[in-house]
Amino acid sequence: AQSVAQPEDQVNVAEGNPLTVKCTYSVSGNPYLFWYVQYPNRGLQFLLKYITGDNLVKGSYGFEAEFNKSQTSFHLKKPSALVSDSALYFCAVREGPNAGNMLTFGGGTRLMVKP
Amino acid sequence: GAVVSQHPSWVICKSGTSVKIECRSLDFQATTMFWYRQFPKQSLMLMATSNEGSKATYEQGVEKDKFLINHASLTLSTLTVTSAHPEDSSFYICSAILGTSGSADEQFFGPGTRLTVL
Repeated sequence: AQSVAQPEDQVNVAEGNPLTVKCTYSVSGNPYLFWYVQYPNRGLQFLLKYITGDNLVKGSYGFEAEFNKSQTSFHLKKPSALVSDSALYFCAVREGPNAGNMLTFGGGTRLMVKP
Repeated sequence: GAVVSQHPSWVICKSGTSVKIECRSLDFQATTMFWYRQFPKQSLMLMATSNEGSKATYEQGVEKDKFLINHASLTLSTLTVTSAHPEDSSFYICSAILGTSGSADEQFFGPGTRLTVL
């Protein structure tokens, strides 16, 4: 069975400082990894994904994530946080390229960026 | 491109009534759509996989007679919550795959529907 862990329920960071939202995963085959952001009462917005290739993936709004196979991690990062980045972030994993395969979500991490 | 819409965005109903939620792929055909449920401050849980022209596949613990799914066209899937009760109150999110499941890369999510059952 595949699983995703986001160990922090909430991350607090000051505006302008770098941020990291942690994610570790477990999957039996090749992992396809995703980060989504959710604003209040809204659906999920895609940020970035890792399929194959470079371990450092760049996505929307200045976010990036680094795939680390040995640590089975896919942490989300941003060099300089904005107050508008405050939202709920979900990491997700599925096994292999078939988009019809189950997508398993982590529990979510609330990011609070303070002015 | 790859926009998914849901209607309604928010619905309030009395206990015992049935509610239908629509999920539409606006600019692409979606052979496969997914329905998720999200409780407050929790993650998304997959309820079922909806395949055009065939019966939906439900996840363990999801009552198929309670949550009726119909995927009658390549751009529309509906979720009907039958005889809704307060414990069915939740945020329901759908997603769709661009193209066929074997070739597509990712799911595109709708904006969600908040159901409140009084």
